[in-house]
Amino acid sequence: DTGVSQDPRHKITKRGQNVTFRCDPISEHNRLYWYRQTLGQGPEFLTYFQNEAQLEKSRLLSDRFSAERPKGSFSTLEIQRTEQGDSAMYLCASSLLAGGQETQYFGPGTRLLVL
Amino acid sequence: GQQVMQIPQYQHVQEGEDFTTYCNSSTTLSNIQWYKQRPGGHPVFLIQLVKSGEVKKQKRLTFQFGEAKKNSSLHITATQTTDVGTYFCAGPGSGGSNYKLTFGKGTLLTVNP
Repeated sequence: DTGVSQDPRHKITKRGQNVTFRCDPISEHNRLYWYRQTLGQGPEFLTYFQNEAQLEKSRLLSDRFSAERPKGSFSTLEIQRTEQGDSAMYLCASSLLAGGQETQYFGPGTRLLVL
Repeated sequence: GQQVMQIPQYQHVQEGEDFTTYCNSSTTLSNIQWYKQRPGGHPVFLIQLVKSGEVKKQKRLTFQFGEAKKNSSLHITATQTTDVGTYFCAGPGSGGSNYKLTFGKGTLLTVNP
């Protein structure tokens, strides 16, 4: 399967703990995105990488959140001191910008529950 | 900031009936994209419309982009139980933020067999 993969698929943690999620994009894709989706809502943009450079962070991304894409391939999203409000589905997407157009392909997501 | 609105929020139909969801953006879009998310699944790309007034078909699905490039619709003819899911439209930001998709809240379609 050459799609976007995410690990873990589910995570249950206690409030105050740190969690880290991993995303492996489609191999030739140079752009990588993190979104958050809560029940009954569409995905909301969190941050975006072009190769290894993080080019934008949403205001939704508090200083407890950090994302990296160290070699321009896989990416990690870490949440420190988790809060119950962080419970959501965290989606990763990747794309290849070509000819001014791109299509974002989503991974299966990591569903986080903070108790 | 850019807002994307979808109606209706929910739609329940009998199998075989038609279904339409509408999408409106607060700003003119360079393109509009549609995704489908099955229950418990992740968004799956369906189509991208770029040109003003563009109409594209995928089997029983018809997608339309408005003349002003601020609205779009998805119409499904003769729904089947496999059509169940949430349909999202999404538009990119303008200018230097054209990579950032803003999604609507989606329309949840349920189909009674």
